[in-house]
Order: sequence, then C-alpha cells, then structure tokens
Amino acid sequence: DTEVTQTPKHLVMGMTNKKSLKCEQHMGHRAMYWYKQKAKKPPELMFVYSYEKLSINESVPSRFSPECPNSSLLNLHLHALQPEDSALYLCASSQDRDTDTQYFGPGTRLTVL
Amino acid sequence: DAKTTQPPSMDCAEGRAANLPCNHSTISGNEYVYWYRQIHSQGPQYIIHGLKNNETNEMASLIITEDRKSSTLILPHATLRDTAVYYCIVSRDYNQGGKLIFGQGTELSVKP
Repeated sequence: DTEVTQTPKHLVMGMTNKKSLKCEQHMGHRAMYWYKQKAKKPPELMFVYSYEKLSINESVPSRFSPECPNSSLLNLHLHALQPEDSALYLCASSQDRDTDTQYFGPGTRLTVL
Repeated sequence: DAKTTQPPSMDCAEGRAANLPCNHSTISGNEYVYWYRQIHSQGPQYIIHGLKNNETNEMASLIITEDRKSSTLILPHATLRDTAVYYCIVSRDYNQGGKLIFGQGTELSVKP
C-alpha cells in the first residue's frame, strides 16, 4: 500500500476560523511533509517531520501549526489565515528523512474567505 | 533555488514516445536526478530516479548523459492519461535531508 490519504479534500474557512488538515500513511514511513502549492506554481516545502519530531520549518508563519501525534498521522492546524493562504496543501511521506522518494497525498484545496 | 531547466511545455501524439529533457549543469557528484509528475489537481507522483546509469521501470526510462549535466525522461508509448506537469529535481540540501526543491516543470500535453 503506497497510499497517503488527506482529509478534507476541500475546505472553505473564514479568517477567524480554526480548522485542521489531516494526513495519514500506513507504509511505516518515518518522515512526513507538508507542502503548499499555489495555482500554476510548483509545490513549496513548509514542514518536515522525522521520527515524529519537527525537523524543518521553512519560515512558515505561526498561523500554520503542524503536529505529528504518531508515526502515521500528520496534522496542520490553521488559525487566523489570510486570503492569500488559499492554496492546495499537500502531504507526503518517505521512508526516512534522507530518502527523496516521497509519496504524496491528493491534497486539500483550501479557500480562505 | 532549483538547479534544473526544463522547457515549459511540450506536445506529444498519443502512442508515440514522449522525450522530456532536463538540464542540470551544476549537479554535484552525489546528487540524484529525480522525476515526479503531477496530473491536474492531484498530488505529485514519483516516476523514477537515477545517479549515473540509465534506469527503467514500468512507467518510464531515464537517460542520464555521461557528464551528468542533462537527462531525458522517456515515456515509451504516451497515453492521454500521461498529460501532466513533469518535474525534474536534482537539488537537495544534505544538511536538511528530504528537501525536494521543485522547479517550474514541463507541461506535457498528449494529444489524440
């Protein structure tokens, strides 16, 4: 099973809302990633978790808060977002942090009103 | 910044081979060449990777020049479902492992 699942598929939220994006994999991978992708642009790395610890934070604003409750789950908590944060949010996993073969989920399409 | 250069778009006739070029003239000796593709509104999909030798799997072939400054991804019999953006990636910061840096990619359109 090489599947990474993400929920929800679509999310619309106001600037004062708090919401969470969820990602799950059951491949035994120990590295998990959040990417942000704007329309017609390539994905940009936001966070990397390695063995459930935050490994990389690409200077992401604090209104995005990642969480890795266990090795299979990755959350992205959203609070006080701006309309320019509207994008496709992609989750990925790999065997470990040093492996570049990453498996991506289908993404969550986020719209901030 | 990404260290790859790809044509922004290419067309290919259905059933023909699609050859997607990538220039990576500043590649380091220990950097791999990775190819991913992204079908519209889906997550990127891993295709293939290589270091020096040519590689083939069930999806594609990867041809890397001897000097490793360029490579070509070959889809031997393109189908309409191969229409996607194809990303060539060689940039990787070993101090921050697992960091894929996507370039702009090539938008491949397979036409009937």
